[in-house]
Amino acid sequence: GESVGLHLPTLSVQEGDNSIINCAYSNSASDYFIWYKQESGKGPQFIIDIRSNMDKRQGQRVTVLLNKTVKHLSLQIAATQPGDSAVYFCAETGSNTGKLIFGQGTTLQVKP
Amino acid sequence: NAGVTQTPKFQVLKTGQSMTLQCAQDMNHEYMSWYRQDPGMGLRLIHYSVGAGITDQGEVPNGYNVSRSTTEDFPLRLLSAAPSQTSVYFCASSYGGTSGDTGELFFGEGSRLTVL
Repeated sequence: GESVGLHLPTLSVQEGDNSIINCAYSNSASDYFIWYKQESGKGPQFIIDIRSNMDKRQGQRVTVLLNKTVKHLSLQIAATQPGDSAVYFCAETGSNTGKLIFGQGTTLQVKP
Repeated sequence: NAGVTQTPKFQVLKTGQSMTLQCAQDMNHEYMSWYRQDPGMGLRLIHYSVGAGITDQGEVPNGYNVSRSTTEDFPLRLLSAAPSQTSVYFCASSYGGTSGDTGELFFGEGSRLTVL
């Protein structure tokens, strides 16, 4: 069945280093992918998205990479800051399905 | 704009009781959805709606009912609460509509439900 998962439940990085959070998906029909950030006690917040006709998309300090061949998605955060500490979720959906399916999340811990 | 507003923020129920979680958005979004979040399980889709009068089931619809009589509101009903429904519930909305393209979801702050 459809599933979206993350490779690591917790990632610990030093402040100022780059972070890479990975995500694997199994539904080859998925064509839209989103990364969300969730801080403690709050709802998820949109970070960046990418459609299947792209391999890479950049935002402010964040980059999403999509490898459709191996059904892999990654989120790169440059110069990680303490405010980046949160749980990060990848989510995927297919055209016209109306269903956005989330992975289980990776907790990012930033050490000062 | 208030965005997505959920009420109540906290609720304690006894097994078998019924209740409705309210969700309202003021962004004129066509698409609305409900998720539940349990420890270690991420967010799971309960029900969603691509427009007023249209609803459909997500990954875990059993035990929950929804309706979409207006664009703004998307209430989630628990007819007979069970301890397994103890969770944090999130409502979300987006511009995506009948095209099925969810687009960027905007989430509410969540409703924490405990069923004893």
